[in-house]
Amino acid sequence: AQSVTQPDIHITVSEGASLELRCNYSYGATPYLFWYVQSPGQGLQLLLKYFSGDTLVQGIKGFEAEFKRSQSSFNLRKPSVHWSDAAEYFCAVGPNSGGYQKVTFGTGTKLQVIP
Amino acid sequence: EAGVTQSPTHLIKTRGQQATLRCSPISGHTSVYWYQQALGLGLQFLLWYDEGEERNRGNFPPRFSGRQFPNYSSELNVNALELEDSALYLCASSQYNSPLHFGNGTRLTVT
Repeated sequence: AQSVTQPDIHITVSEGASLELRCNYSYGATPYLFWYVQSPGQGLQLLLKYFSGDTLVQGIKGFEAEFKRSQSSFNLRKPSVHWSDAAEYFCAVGPNSGGYQKVTFGTGTKLQVIP
Repeated sequence: EAGVTQSPTHLIKTRGQQATLRCSPISGHTSVYWYQQALGLGLQFLLWYDEGEERNRGNFPPRFSGRQFPNYSSELNVNALELEDSALYLCASSQYNSPLHFGNGTRLTVT
C-alpha cells in the first residue's frame, strides 16, 4: 500500500532563511509526487508535481523539490522564505494511471515564519 | 478561468440531521473528488465521480453519499450526522491526467 510520511508536524523559520520540508513515500512503482500548500481557511493549491524526467522540479512561488528514488524522498525547498509562505504544506503520492482517487496525502507540515 | 467553487462556506448542523454540500468543478473538468479534512487526520479520500458515475469511494460509511449532475457539478450528502463528522470538506476536480484542483472547502460543524 502506498503511504506518505511528513516527519515534521511543525517547523519555524526566520524570514529570509532557507527552508526544507521533508517527505518520504512508499510506493511500489514509479510514483506521481505532488506538493500542495494550504493557507488558513483555504483549499489546497498545487505548488509543483513530479511525473518523470528531471528529478529537480521547479514550482510556483519560488519552491522546488527533488525526487530521490534511492531515498524514497521528495523534499520541498525554498532558498529564502517570505512571511507569506506561512501555511500548511502537504506532500502527496499517487499512481501514474488510474485516477486521482488513489492519491495519498501526508498529514502536513505547518510552517511558521518569524520576522 | 474560474476555479473550483464550493458552497456553503460554513454549515452548522445538529447531530442526526442531514447536510448537503455542493461543488462546481473547473470548466471542462469531468472528474470531481471529495475529501474530508478532520483536525489532525489529514486529507481522507471520500468519493470520486466521473462522467456522472460514482467511480470509487473511500473507507467511509454509506451515510456519506453524493451524486454528479450532467453539468459535472456535484453534491455530497451526509446523513444522520455525528459529532465526528465535523471537518473541512474539500472538493477537487481534474481532467484526464491533470493534477487535482481544490476548492476552498465547506466547514461543517456538528453540534
